[in-house]
Amino acid sequence: NAGVTQTPKFQVLKTGQSMTLQCAQDMNHEYMSWYRQDPGMGLRLIHYSVGAGITDQGEVPNGYNVSRSTTEDFPLRLLSAAPSQTSVYFCASSYGDTGTEAFFGQGTRLTVV
Amino acid sequence: EDQVTQSPEALRLQEGESSSLNCSYTVSGLRGLFWYRQDPGKGPEFLFTLYSAGEEKEKERLKATLTKKESFLHITAPKPEDSATYLCAVQAEGGGADGLTFGKGTHLIIQP
Repeated sequence: NAGVTQTPKFQVLKTGQSMTLQCAQDMNHEYMSWYRQDPGMGLRLIHYSVGAGITDQGEVPNGYNVSRSTTEDFPLRLLSAAPSQTSVYFCASSYGDTGTEAFFGQGTRLTVV
Repeated sequence: EDQVTQSPEALRLQEGESSSLNCSYTVSGLRGLFWYRQDPGKGPEFLFTLYSAGEEKEKERLKATLTKKESFLHITAPKPEDSATYLCAVQAEGGGADGLTFGKGTHLIIQP
């Protein structure tokens, strides 16, 4: 039972490069989201999706794009990487919208130099 | 603006020494309060959801309680394997369906 799978686990980018962080879940969850985790700060919501074809912005969306073409996949795109985007990124999914538990992936550690 | 404050930031206990972690929150309306455990290099792992004041939930050596302003995670007779960062999060009424507001966490170390 894979749960939420994120790839890659580690990535180093140069300033200005673009890349896509992959997230896939096999639990048939409608709700998926992306968070970033920085030292001394709580997890912060970047973007979320309530179902295929529907996405919305979270607390810190600038510099990131998302799309949701299938229930299983929710990729996060960095358009032009900046050092401020150095962080650990977590993808999460959940079944329902009313206080249901979120399942998190193992994270992607991104460094922008 | 929803806010979650966890205390202490770090806590070191001896094996078997019980204690409590605090999570204070302010939200316009609480849909749910969540406790997660996070091990180094891993994603958060779900522990509990609490929905209304007075609610309590237990799992092994952990017990979570909820009031209108705060939640406590009580750890009874902890073992070294309970060492982790414990995260508290709230979901507000009218918030994004999967949008959680997290605290910064309490880093718990249990010494043998």
